[in-house]
Amino acid sequence: GAVVSQHPSWVICKSGTSVKIECRSLDFQATTMFWYRQFPKQSLMLMATSNEGSKATYEQGVEKDKFLINHASLTLSTLTVTSAHPEDSSFYICSARVMFGEKLFFGSGTQLSVL
Amino acid sequence: GEDVEQSLFLSVREGDSSVINCTYTDSSSTYLYWYKQEPGAGLQLLTYIFSNMDMKQDQRLTVLLNKKDKHLSLRIADTQTGDSAIYFCAESISHFGNEKLTFGTGTRLTIIP
Repeated sequence: GAVVSQHPSWVICKSGTSVKIECRSLDFQATTMFWYRQFPKQSLMLMATSNEGSKATYEQGVEKDKFLINHASLTLSTLTVTSAHPEDSSFYICSARVMFGEKLFFGSGTQLSVL
Repeated sequence: GEDVEQSLFLSVREGDSSVINCTYTDSSSTYLYWYKQEPGAGLQLLTYIFSNMDMKQDQRLTVLLNKKDKHLSLRIADTQTGDSAIYFCAESISHFGNEKLTFGTGTRLTIIP
């Protein structure tokens, strides 16, 4: 099956610093990637939809200046959490859709802890 | 708006069948998905069903969709210890050509030896 690689798996950073999370589709091209956030014991919340070569579409309530998304190629999307604060601590998961397909494949997630 | 609900916990004896239920509110969903999440890992797509289907079977997995009642279920036959995980249902809705997935809160399946 299609593989989505997400790095890093976990990251600890100081408050005020920025963190970049990468999401790569290893064996397929993904025109659309999605970024989700999961709080403990809660469901996944869609943060933004990332289309290759265009600006990301953010869900209501998600700060686009805080969560910068770049989808520069058909196999890579990045999420940068800028000026991270403890309330940004969460589990972030990306997913990618196979071109012209309906299936979504998920990365293994990134646990972000902001001290 | 979209809302997807699941019960939080389910315990099943090893070898029995597990049935995980999900209800959703948006009747315009195109696909409905079941995902499995093991501890510390991402989501694994288990199966999905197109909204105009009633049932889909894939080895030990059976998905039933009652579109009238907006009810989706996942049946796992002969449940094994490796099936212990959190199971998420999700509905897919298209908004102006973009697909949006709305997830349920997840059902934690515990297998009793």
